[in-house]
Amino acid sequence: DAGITQSPRYKITETGRQVTLMCHQTWSHSYMFWYRQDLGHGLRLIYYSAAADITDKGEVPDGYVVSRSKTENFPLTLESATRSQTSVYFCASTGQYTGELFFGEGSRLTVL
Amino acid sequence: AQTVTQSQPEMSVQEAETVTLSCTYDTSESDYYLFWYKQPPSRQMILVIRQEAYKQQNATENRFSVNFQKAAKSFSLKISDSQLGDAAMYFCAYRRAGVNTNAGKSTFGDGTTLTVKP
Repeated sequence: DAGITQSPRYKITETGRQVTLMCHQTWSHSYMFWYRQDLGHGLRLIYYSAAADITDKGEVPDGYVVSRSKTENFPLTLESATRSQTSVYFCASTGQYTGELFFGEGSRLTVL
Repeated sequence: AQTVTQSQPEMSVQEAETVTLSCTYDTSESDYYLFWYKQPPSRQMILVIRQEAYKQQNATENRFSVNFQKAAKSFSLKISDSQLGDAAMYFCAYRRAGVNTNAGKSTFGDGTTLTVKP
């Protein structure tokens, strides 16, 4: 099915562990994004990518790493998870002339 | 940097009544998009309505309409004939138009939680 999918949907991990959240889209959208959503903060941009092999930091990039070797995939890695990274993470994509963002269903990450 | 402000953390409306959610934004760009997204308890982000800055006419989608005031940098959402299913968090968002590497980024407000009373 066409769309944008995230995995895992739920993840519990421990402080210091590495965690990777996956994002896959089937529209061949140029732009892809990772946002985190915390109570009282709305959605804050972590990293974004304008095309394969082009990534840049957003508002809150510290502690996160991204890559984009293929247009359709945009994984987000927490190299050493901290409790402050407990959040809901949304992946999104859009085209150059599309306008709105298309969101995945979100990944709820809990760091103990 | 662009900023989006939603000054109403919470709003409530009686079923079948009308409610207006406020949003202001700050930008130096002349070409951009504005959006309202709905996030129900399921957490899924759903596009409600979009407005292109170059269009003077306010966008409408069934019971949802906007009041876009470009000079005032204001973009409010009006929900008419409110229904129980409209209860959700609503986010106002800005996106710069164009095709350069920064064009796709969207900036979100902190959201307004809408309660619909039966």
